[in-house]
Amino acid sequence: RKEVEQDPGPFNVPEGATVAFNCTYSNSASQSFFWYRQDCRKEPKLLMSVYSSGNEDGRFTAQLNRASQYISLLIRDSKLSDSATYLCVVNRRDDKIIFGKGTRLHILP
Amino acid sequence: EPEVTQTPSHQVTQMGQEVILRCVPISNHLYFYWYRQILGQKVEFLVSFYNNEISEKSEIFDDQFSVERPDGSNFTLKIRSTKLEDSAMYFCARGGDRGVEAFFGQGTRLTVV
Repeated sequence: RKEVEQDPGPFNVPEGATVAFNCTYSNSASQSFFWYRQDCRKEPKLLMSVYSSGNEDGRFTAQLNRASQYISLLIRDSKLSDSATYLCVVNRRDDKIIFGKGTRLHILP
Repeated sequence: EPEVTQTPSHQVTQMGQEVILRCVPISNHLYFYWYRQILGQKVEFLVSFYNNEISEKSEIFDDQFSVERPDGSNFTLKIRSTKLEDSAMYFCARGGDRGVEAFFGQGTRLTVV
């Protein structure tokens, strides 16, 4: 089983819609969780950290379910500029930050 | 402004040659990482570097690779005897204040011909 798994997509979503991604991780010792965003041929950029209590940043909501070992990202009122690849990222105790393969999102006008 | 500055932005090298990729942080940090991303594939962890020592490395990071921080500032990744399959984007990242997240430079695109 891969350490971090994501649905590669693409998700084609009309502008203004709500879209959700899930990600599962295999190592129960994982400590920290993040969502990154990567635009085509650019570096990954930290979007938000993910906490057990759930956290929200504007239109973005992230949640962590440790029991089921998955994290989620919800984007409300999607914008054209949200089109990107969303990377699920997990940090184990030993400072090894592991990236998922990413989920591609296309927002359609 | 990027978290770290990477040079060169693009390097073309012949198979078998050695390349050195450079990373310069904006300010002093203790955690650094090197990642690579082959075109169309996932971001792959290579090595983490804490307080001037390797703290973790992946199975990809074999004897062909080495990292150094020669002057306490610049952070380099050396790839010896490059192969065609080393062609990729190489990202340097610095650790966050909590040491758990990573902030990336803009990458060096390495093309081995």
